Amino acid sequence: QVQLQQSGAELAKPGSSVKISCKASGYTFTSYYISWIKQTTGQGLEYIGYINTGSGGTNYNEKFKGKATLTVDKSSSTAFMQLSSLTPDDSAVYYCAREGGALPYYFDYWGQGVMVTVSS
Amino acid sequence: DIVLTQSPTTMAASPGEKVTLTCRASSSVSYMNWYQQKPGASPKLWIYGTSKLASGVPNRFSGSGSGTSYSLIISSMETEDIATYYCQQCCSTPLTFGSGTKLEIK
Repeated sequence: QVQLQQSGAELAKPGSSVKISCKASGYTFTSYYISWIKQTTGQGLEYIGYINTGSGGTNYNEKFKGKATLTVDKSSSTAFMQLSSLTPDDSAVYYCAREGGALPYYFDYWGQGVMVTVSS
Repeated sequence: DIVLTQSPTTMAASPGEKVTLTCRASSSVSYMNWYQQKPGASPKLWIYGTSKLASGVPNRFSGSGSGTSYSLIISSMETEDIATYYCQQCCSTPLTFGSGTKLEIK
């Protein structure tokens, strides 16, 4: 069965960086994109961007350019998101999700989410 | 960015009642996707391509709409349907989500 297993919760200081992982199993990893989505109580669900797991190509929501960096390790079927220059506004639950790369661009499987807390 | 406005924000329905959740887009979109999220859990794909039910979704759910107005309909409310439902527009970058409708049981 398709599974996306994310890494554990992070507590980080302002100005630092964190790197979250998303390990896929149960399907051909390079046949689907991995997208990343931020969820907060105030802003709801926000789309960060996606990585083409086959080519490594990325596409970012303008809002998250410079904040998020998406990478992939095909050998371990794992996608990564690094968040840099953290501020309290980056505190959220971050999900990875599988996306088919074609219309109507939807997310059919989601990871369990990683809570990132930014606090001094 | 396309803004999706969901209504109502919260609603309560009785078991067996028909429920209609609405999602309005600030610009026309070709398709709408819907997700169900229960407390403490990740969102689950519920409806995609406006009207296609995701795997395992009961057929009391349906989706419809076009242009700037889309709906998720439950023909007969059940207690297991208690959740927050989010719409997501498919086609204009960046992809965007509505702020959700929280569905409660009356």
